[in-house]
Amino acid sequence: GNSVTQMEGPVTLSEEAFLTINCTYTATGYPSLFWYVQYPGEGLQLLLKATKADDKGSNKGFEATYRKETTSFHLEKGSVQVSDSAVYFCALSSTGGGNKLTFGTGTQLKVEL
Amino acid sequence: SAVISQKPSRDICQRGTSLTIQCQVDSQVTMMFWYRQQPGQSLTLIATANQGSEATYESGFVIDKFPISRPNLTFSTLTVSNLSPEDSSIYLCSVVSGDGEQFFGPGTRLTVL
Repeated sequence: GNSVTQMEGPVTLSEEAFLTINCTYTATGYPSLFWYVQYPGEGLQLLLKATKADDKGSNKGFEATYRKETTSFHLEKGSVQVSDSAVYFCALSSTGGGNKLTFGTGTQLKVEL
Repeated sequence: SAVISQKPSRDICQRGTSLTIQCQVDSQVTMMFWYRQQPGQSLTLIATANQGSEATYESGFVIDKFPISRPNLTFSTLTVSNLSPEDSSIYLCSVVSGDGEQFFGPGTRLTVL
C-alpha cells in the first residue's frame, strides 16, 4: 500500500536559517506529491505540489522536487521566518486512487528570533 | 477554490452518545472525503462520501461506527457513534475542486469524556 515517511519533529530553527524537511514515499504507479501546512489554530492548506517526476513545486519561498529515483519530495526554504512556524505534512495521491490522500505524520517547525 | 464550513467547530460529548458533524461547501463538488486527525497524529482517511449512494470506507472504519450521508453535491454529514475517549480527534472534511486541488474544512474538534 501507499505510505509517506517524514522526518521526526519538532524542528527548531533561528530566523533566516535554511530549512529541509525530509519526505520519502512508497506508492504504486506515479503518484502526485503534496506539502500541506497547518498554522497554529488554522485549517490545513496546500503549500505546493508536483504531479510528475522532476517537477518542482514552489510557493512562498518553499520548494520541493519530485525525485522518482529516490522516491523523495523534500521540502526546502532558504531563509525561514517566524511566521513559517507551523506543522508541515507531506502527502501523496496515487494514480487511480481517486484523489485520496495518504499523509505523513507531520513535522512541527518552530522558528525563533 | 472551494470554501468549506463545518459545524460544530468543537464539542465535548459523553461516552456512549453520538455526534453528527456537518460539512457545507460553497460550490458543487463531486468528490468529498472525511478524515480523522488524532491528537499528535497525522490525518487518516475515514471514507469517501458518495452523492446518492453509500459511502466507501477505508480499512479499519465501518458504517455502523461512522455513518455518512451525502444528500447533494454541496453537503455531507459524518456521525461518530457510540463515542469512547479513543474517538477524541479532529474530524475534517475535504473536497476536490475542478482542477484537482484538495481543500480542507476547518475541522471539528471532538473531546469524549
